[in-house]
Amino acid sequence: ILNVEQSPQSLHVQEGDSTNFTCSFPSSNFYALHWYRWETAKSPEALFVMTLNGDEKKKGRISATLNTKEGYSYLYIKGSQPEDSATYLCAPREGSQGNLIFGKGTKLSVKP
Amino acid sequence: DAGVTQSPTHLIKTRGQHVTLRCSPISGHKSVSWYQQVLGQGPQFIFQYYEKEERGRGNFPDRFSARQFPNYSSELNVNALLLGDSALYLCASSPGQGALGYTFGSGTRLTVV
Repeated sequence: ILNVEQSPQSLHVQEGDSTNFTCSFPSSNFYALHWYRWETAKSPEALFVMTLNGDEKKKGRISATLNTKEGYSYLYIKGSQPEDSATYLCAPREGSQGNLIFGKGTKLSVKP
Repeated sequence: DAGVTQSPTHLIKTRGQHVTLRCSPISGHKSVSWYQQVLGQGPQFIFQYYEKEERGRGNFPDRFSARQFPNYSSELNVNALLLGDSALYLCASSPGQGALGYTFGSGTRLTVV
């Protein structure tokens, strides 16, 4: 069973700041890592699915990197905007048939 | 194209009652998974169904059960409700069991009093 740690638990930044979060997970039997963005009262929105060590993905101002050997992923947001305020969840997955194991998330608040 | 739809959006039940939650996946998706999210925690896996068969089960008591219908929609049933079952229940669909993409619904908020 994977133990997934996300840090920080919460983060308050000013509009325009760049920020990053960490997701740590055991590296054995790794298959994929999912990042989700979850706004209050909405459904979790898929940001990235990463499978290969060294993967880097980008979507607008948001990017992510993956290190499967040491068991961590970073999510970066460049020039944060108030609309980026949400909880960011990472979820590694063991094996192709495995389910998602979620961390507790990082709650980001961006002040105008 | 409609996303993953869940019903109801909210409901309140009394301890000891039974509840049924419903999920309709994205058209063409054959796999449905259920997750429970309690306050302060990440979503926790309950069940996965693919082609109407249970393909995975999380660490939940036998009071929790589910099924998938021929049209790939799914129901989650919880018997003998406890206060601790109060949570947001999320449904996710994917094209197949081993597919990379999971799309979530907005959930059903269950309150047990």
